[in-house]
Amino acid sequence: GAVVSQHPSWVICKSGTSVKIECRSLDFQATTMFWYRQFPKQSLMLMATSNEGSKATYEQGVEKDKFLINHASLTLSTLTVTSAHPEDSSFYICSAPAGSRYEQYFGPGTRLTVT
Amino acid sequence: RKEVEQDPGPFNVPEGATVAFNCTYSNSASQSFFWYRQDCRKEPKLLMSVYSSGNEDGRFTAQLNRASQYISLLIRDSKLSDSATYLCVPTYNFNKFYFGSGTKLNVKP
Repeated sequence: GAVVSQHPSWVICKSGTSVKIECRSLDFQATTMFWYRQFPKQSLMLMATSNEGSKATYEQGVEKDKFLINHASLTLSTLTVTSAHPEDSSFYICSAPAGSRYEQYFGPGTRLTVT
Repeated sequence: RKEVEQDPGPFNVPEGATVAFNCTYSNSASQSFFWYRQDCRKEPKLLMSVYSSGNEDGRFTAQLNRASQYISLLIRDSKLSDSATYLCVPTYNFNKFYFGSGTKLNVKP
């Protein structure tokens, strides 16, 4: 299957600071990538769709000014959590579609803790 | 109505058991269907695609009933390593994935 990487795998930051998470498709190109968030014992929640060369589209209830997404190339999307607060502490996962049925391949996730 | 509904479980079964998971979806326009598994504190991994005619991959069998908007997954001869949360995903609308709560499986020795 296709390989997606994320960096960093975990990060601890102070309230009010910003954190950038990178998502890379390693062996395929992705014009679209997706960002999810998962709180403990809850399901994955789609946050936004990252589009190469254009603006990201956000799901209802997700603040676009807080979660900045940039799809800089066909293999890289970044999510920046701005002015982080403790309630932003979560598991952030990206994915990219590949294959004949557009199945999605997920990165290993980034565990964010805001103190 | 939720887009995807699954019995959250947990399903606690002994090794070697056969277990079946059901999933219903609300959008009749869904075009592709998948089963993923997610281990604790890990990312989802593709288990199998689901085809209209049903399909099998080793111990795993998936079925799709479009008329009833229902997907199933059967696991035979359960292994300890099958313990995970199983997520069914119907897709439409630019390939977005909207996950349900998943079904948790615990396989006991």
